[in-house]
Amino acid sequence: DAGITQSPRHKVTETGTPVTLRCHQTENHRYMYWYRQDPGHGLRLIHYSYGVKDTDKGEVSDGYSVSRSKTEDFLLTLESATSSQTSVYFCAISESSSFNYGYTFGSGTRLTVV
Amino acid sequence: TQLLEQSPQFLSIQEGENLTVYCNSSSVFSSLQWYRQEPGEGPVLLVTVVTGGEVKKLKRLTFQFGDARKDSSLHITAAQPGDTGLYLCAGGTQIGFNKFYFGSGTKLNVKP
Repeated sequence: DAGITQSPRHKVTETGTPVTLRCHQTENHRYMYWYRQDPGHGLRLIHYSYGVKDTDKGEVSDGYSVSRSKTEDFLLTLESATSSQTSVYFCAISESSSFNYGYTFGSGTRLTVV
Repeated sequence: TQLLEQSPQFLSIQEGENLTVYCNSSSVFSSLQWYRQEPGEGPVLLVTVVTGGEVKKLKRLTFQFGDARKDSSLHITAAQPGDTGLYLCAGGTQIGFNKFYFGSGTKLNVKP
């Protein structure tokens, strides 16, 4: 019954290669987010989207780009993967930008850059 | 820079004990949320508090938002093994677009 799915769930890639992670939602929510989770840092916002083709940077956006060509899909691309981008990546969705609304998170993608 | 500091980082207790975890910041937030995360899964929203001094109860969990909206606490009564997980607090701001800043979490282990 998952309204949000991430793919792949696990990936190992080499330094310098491009990598794209996909987030797919079936909730028709307008707002989508990409976070990374690292020990001692919690979840940090990479990029977010407030509509089709409308995206903006978060606090740790260097080295990442995003695209949203359809409401249901939000793609995160690492242009040239580095070891510092080894992390667990979470996509989240929200029906509103209001601070009263929480996020629904996907199950994450564990990315290892070797 | 970690906007939200959570304490303790780790907590291991026996089933039936009570516990409190804390979420502190020097910043004022429009709202404060608590999530629980289990291994290999994404965080799941437990509660949102928006008013300074607000207290919300969810079965054995009690959440409080500080009067100045800079801190929050989560109290669990009679902890059970099913409460085991990583508890994350997230502060919401509305400077520009609404964003949430997450603490690094409290890892709770409840032993049977």
